[in-house]
Amino acid sequence: DVKVTQSSRYLVKRTGEKVFLECVQDMDHENMFWYRQDPGLGLRLIYFSYDVKMKEKGDIPEGYSVSREKKERFSLILESASTNQTSMYLCASSPGLTSYNEQFFGPGTRLTVL
Amino acid sequence: AQTVTQSQPEMSVQEAETVTLSCTYDTSENNYYLFWYKQPPSRQMILVIRQEAYKQQNATENRFSVNFQKAAKSFSLKISDSQLGDTAMYFCAFMTDWGAQKLVFGQGTRLTINP
Repeated sequence: DVKVTQSSRYLVKRTGEKVFLECVQDMDHENMFWYRQDPGLGLRLIYFSYDVKMKEKGDIPEGYSVSREKKERFSLILESASTNQTSMYLCASSPGLTSYNEQFFGPGTRLTVL
Repeated sequence: AQTVTQSQPEMSVQEAETVTLSCTYDTSENNYYLFWYKQPPSRQMILVIRQEAYKQQNATENRFSVNFQKAAKSFSLKISDSQLGDTAMYFCAFMTDWGAQKLVFGQGTRLTINP
């Protein structure tokens, strides 16, 4: 089974802190994604990566950055956390090459910024 | 830009009933893919069913089937003989068949199956 793991299920941070959310997949997938899930808004894409050291902005990249130094690991960074970044963050991965590939999701990290 | 709309924020049915979740989308593309994902309470999101737009036949997976109306840009999910384990958030999603494999999600429908 494909496994996507995220470093924390719940996280509480203070405004202005630097926050790292880690995601690891064990299926050698080329593509990795970070989404933000908010009630009534569904999931929105923050950043994605289709290869090591490659990254592309999604629909809501402002206030976030990412890092992919190894194929299996994709990190989301909040340089200076703000209260409006309180949300559920979901990581996903998928094989490359074909568009209809299923994305496999991690369990999510519920981040609260106080 | 593509958009996906789920107009039913919440639905509730009795166990064993059939329920249909609605989804409409907007795109100028001719070839694309549509998905339904399920997110059970406190559990990971999983794929329920997918449809390729160039296929006229509606996809089915056991008790789950879709009604894909390309001209109307509609992609509804039907769950037959609903079970308590079907209780979840359901998201409709769209993907183009070119470029990056980005999913565009709808707002979600919270489905509750009552015993």
